[in-house]
Amino acid sequence: QQPVQSPQAVILREGEDAVINCSSSKALYSVHWYRQKHGEAPVFLMILLKGGEQKGHDKISASFNEKKQQSSLYLTASQLSYSGTYFCGTANQAGTALIFGKGTTLSVSS
Amino acid sequence: GAGVSQSPSNKVTEKGKDVELRCDPISGHTALYWYRQSLGQGLEFLIYFQGNSAPDKSGLPSDRFSAERTGGSVSTLTIQRTQQEDSAVYLCASSLGSSAGQETQYFGPGTRLLVL
Repeated sequence: QQPVQSPQAVILREGEDAVINCSSSKALYSVHWYRQKHGEAPVFLMILLKGGEQKGHDKISASFNEKKQQSSLYLTASQLSYSGTYFCGTANQAGTALIFGKGTTLSVSS
Repeated sequence: GAGVSQSPSNKVTEKGKDVELRCDPISGHTALYWYRQSLGQGLEFLIYFQGNSAPDKSGLPSDRFSAERTGGSVSTLTIQRTQQEDSAVYLCASSLGSSAGQETQYFGPGTRLLVL
């Protein structure tokens, strides 16, 4: 089943923070986060593999709550370069591919 | 090193024609994936190849879609008798091993297909 992302869109000014959520109705063993800029390929951000795990680099971090079957992506002090569509992905039942959410579009303006 | 490459970058075809889309994965990556992205939509899984194992074709939307991977490297996605609803960006990705849930997938730039 396709994970559900919220919100669908976020509009920010530079320096503001945002949270993007990803939830699933089925058990999650890992969550992947990708960012895609318009007309470009999705770019890997991070994978979270363990329940309760948190990861981050620069000012983008994420948490993964296995029990709640959800993950959140935190963007702190947003920059113009953060603009794009963020997708979360979870492994399909066979473990052969990722099932992606519909994406959250983030627009950061100066 | 070189990333995933795809060709052509754009393809315009007439309804009913066949098209072939090509993907060159990162050297040494044994897993290869095809996804489809329709306008404003997420990425839809189509097919997965892992080494010499039988591919997972569970995501192919109809029997007009097929794919092969020769020599464990280059892959070709073929769409026969194209329909207008096939218009989308077709993305290829590759990863090191066999566990899609635990590995980074590296995406190519995609092929934009427009069926008139």
